[in-house]
Amino acid sequence: NAGVTQTPKFQVLKTGQSMTLQCAQDMNHNSMYWYRQDPGMGLRLIYYSASEGTTDKGEVPNGYNVSRLNKREFSLRLESAAPSQTSVYFCASREYRVAEAFFGQGTRLTVV
Amino acid sequence: AQSVTQLGSHVSVSEGALVLLRCNYSSSVPPYLFWYVQYPNQGLQLLLKYTTGATLVKGINGFEAEFKKSETSFHLTKPSAHMSDAAEYFCAATGGGNKLTFGTGTQLKVEL
Repeated sequence: NAGVTQTPKFQVLKTGQSMTLQCAQDMNHNSMYWYRQDPGMGLRLIYYSASEGTTDKGEVPNGYNVSRLNKREFSLRLESAAPSQTSVYFCASREYRVAEAFFGQGTRLTVV
Repeated sequence: AQSVTQLGSHVSVSEGALVLLRCNYSSSVPPYLFWYVQYPNQGLQLLLKYTTGATLVKGINGFEAEFKKSETSFHLTKPSAHMSDAAEYFCAATGGGNKLTFGTGTQLKVEL
């Protein structure tokens, strides 16, 4: 089982460039999430999607957009990358409200 | 709104000693609580979870946690630390909705 798959694993961007982080899950989960992880700050929620066709802001949505393309896929877009967006990004999915989240392996993004 | 506080960003124990990692939550509704572990350069893996029922929860690798409503706590323990337990540990909570909130993490170091 693949679980949650994120692409790419590593990326270096120049300030002002745009890119899309891809996430796909094969567990038929309804809810999907994007987090960023920074040293000393834990995981902070950027956006989440409770179900196909819906998206909601998390704690740190500024500078990001998301698309829930279908039930399997949830992408995160940086329209104009900034050095402050250098981070490790994790995608996760959940079956229902009380269930645990399953995580991808992360995307390490550096903005120079 | 819910929040999760992990006391101690770094904890160091000797091999064979008790591991105690602290987590307190703030939630306006009965919480569902989780502990995750992250090894270097990997995603997050579920250790254990509390949803309803028994307040003492057993997880993988000999870890357990006790939900104490009166103390709003969900501390993680292991009777005897092993070198392989060295990792970062995250406490997370959801109030039954779709948003899953994480603490800032505790780095566990195990010394010989």
